[in-house]
Amino acid sequence: SQQGEEDPQALSIQEGENATMNCSYKTSINNLQWYRQNSGRGLVHLILIRSNEREKHSGRLRVTLDTSKKSSSLLITASRAADTASYFCATPRGETSGSRLTFGEGTQLTVNP
Amino acid sequence: GAGVSQSPRYKVAKRGQDVALRCDPISGHVSLFWYQQALGQGPEFLTYFQNEAQLDKSGLPSDRFFAERPEGSVSTLKIQRTQQEDSAVYLCASSLLRRTVRNQPQHFGDGTRLSIL
Repeated sequence: SQQGEEDPQALSIQEGENATMNCSYKTSINNLQWYRQNSGRGLVHLILIRSNEREKHSGRLRVTLDTSKKSSSLLITASRAADTASYFCATPRGETSGSRLTFGEGTQLTVNP
Repeated sequence: GAGVSQSPRYKVAKRGQDVALRCDPISGHVSLFWYQQALGQGPEFLTYFQNEAQLDKSGLPSDRFFAERPEGSVSTLKIQRTQQEDSAVYLCASSLLRRTVRNQPQHFGDGTRLSIL
């Protein structure tokens, strides 16, 4: 079963608007990561937020983490057509398994020019 | 190289054939992971290496799947007697992660798209 679950499954917005994606997870974590995947390509790491952090920024990205609710959100501000991609949250399982990542099913974001 | 390299990018095989997928991780990365991604889904873990040691193979779906990393760098994922349900994208990722270095992201290759006819 998937550890992370993103919503919405699909999101379509106009260029310049903000996009918010949410992720829920089930077990305790030491960090949560967000990745982007363009069609036909591999995943690209966007941002990592540690369990003792509540918010983190990187350029136009803002990630929040609420460990009491086991949820995270990714906000992309001033979206561009090039942001069109699938976005996944991922949680590491634990040290004994080398922090294998468990991914949700992703949010497909479409930014219309 | 600058990133994780996987080959081939596309592989078409007939059911019952054996296939081998190659991964060149980022130089110096200790950890190497294989994931399987079905269409429209997130990646699912297959197996993990730390250097040449395969420490976790719990995600391999059957004994037809075999992975190795003999010298702690390049890795090969082999699938024997392929079935149609093996059709997927196989992603390789590497990381600096080890017991003394935590909270490291994984760096992914572009994957091999495997189609079994």
